[in-house]
Amino acid sequence: KAGVTQTPRYLIKTRGQQVTLSCSPISGHRSVSWYQQTPGQGLQFLFEYFSETQRNKGNFPGRFSGRQFSNSRSEMNVSTLELGDSALYLCASSLSPGANVLTFGAGSRLTVL
Amino acid sequence: AQSVTQPDIHITVSEGASLELRCNYSYGATPYLFWYVQSPGQGLQLLLKYFSGDTLVQGIKGFEAEFKRSQSSFNLRKPSVHWSDAAEYFCAVGAPGTASKLTFGTGTRLQVTL
Repeated sequence: KAGVTQTPRYLIKTRGQQVTLSCSPISGHRSVSWYQQTPGQGLQFLFEYFSETQRNKGNFPGRFSGRQFSNSRSEMNVSTLELGDSALYLCASSLSPGANVLTFGAGSRLTVL
Repeated sequence: AQSVTQPDIHITVSEGASLELRCNYSYGATPYLFWYVQSPGQGLQLLLKYFSGDTLVQGIKGFEAEFKRSQSSFNLRKPSVHWSDAAEYFCAVGAPGTASKLTFGTGTRLQVTL
């Protein structure tokens, strides 16, 4: 059974650009959550999607957005990149929002120059 | 608001020695508690979880954790550490039924000496 797949694994952008990251959940999992991991702030919840609807959102500016497709795959987008957006972005999936156990992908490491 | 404290940023133990990683949480009721491990360049792997019931929970790779309500703690233990256990360990707390929104501690980096 394939795990959570995130693409791309590594990418480099410059300030002001935008980026889109993709996440394919475990087959049968319908809930997808996103986390940002930085050395300074640690692991922080970004948002959660279920049935193509955002259910929860963390404390991030509007430049961070996401969506979920009918096949449960999810994308997150960061517009007008800032140096501080450099981070490991982790996607996690679960059967449903109340399933209580998250399975994480390997992450997408974004470097903003 | 919920919070998690991992007081030890970095711990070094010898291979074969026992290990205890500390975790204290703040939450209004009985939370769902988790320990995850992260190897360099990798995502998070779930070691074990506590939802309710027996306060001593067993996980993968020989790890166990004990929930102590009176101390608001959920410490992770392993009787004998292997060199492959070197990684970063995160304690996390979630609200029952909505544990996709986890609050993580800052992590403890474990170094294992041979």
